[in-house]
Amino acid sequence: NAGVTQTPKFRILKIGQSMTLQCAQDMNHNYMYWYRQDPGMGLKLIYYSVGAGITDKGEVPNGYNVSRSTTEDFPLRLELAAPSQTSVYFCASGGSNTGELFFGEGSRLTVL
Amino acid sequence: AQSVAQPEDQVNVAEGNPLTVKCTYSVSGNPYLFWYVQYPNRGLQFLLKYITGDNLVKGSYGFEAEFNKSQTSFHLKKPSALVSDSALYFCAVRPRTGANNLFFGTGTRLTVIP
Repeated sequence: NAGVTQTPKFRILKIGQSMTLQCAQDMNHNYMYWYRQDPGMGLKLIYYSVGAGITDKGEVPNGYNVSRSTTEDFPLRLELAAPSQTSVYFCASGGSNTGELFFGEGSRLTVL
Repeated sequence: AQSVAQPEDQVNVAEGNPLTVKCTYSVSGNPYLFWYVQYPNRGLQFLLKYITGDNLVKGSYGFEAEFNKSQTSFHLKKPSALVSDSALYFCAVRPRTGANNLFFGTGTRLTVIP
């Protein structure tokens, strides 16, 4: 059981470039989330989805986009990368509103 | 505004001693409460949660947490710390109604000294 798989693990981007962080889960979870983790700041929610075809903004959505065409996949798109988007990104999934979240290993992104 | 506070950035404890990692929250209603642990270069792992019922919740690896409604606190505890417990601990809360978000504290780094 792979759980939540994120790719790539590391990436360096130049300012203005675009990229997609991939996230896939094999637990048939309806809820999926993208967080960013900055030092001393905890985790901030970027976007989330409660099921295929449904997405919604979190606390810090600017500069990002998501889609949820299948239950398994929840890619995060960065358009026009900026240094402020340098962070560690975590994807997570959960089976219910009261259940625990399962996190991927993270994707470390640096924008230079 | 919804918020979660972990007042201590760092907690040091000797191996074998009891440990406490503090968490207080300001969230409307009676939220669901969670603790997660993060080891270096890894994602967060679930430790325990409080949904309803007994105020003392037991979780993974011998950890427990006590919910105190009047103090809006959810402190993480363990009777006897292990060196392997050294990690970053996050408290998180989810409102029972409204936005489907999990609000995280800023984390507390626990170091258990041999």
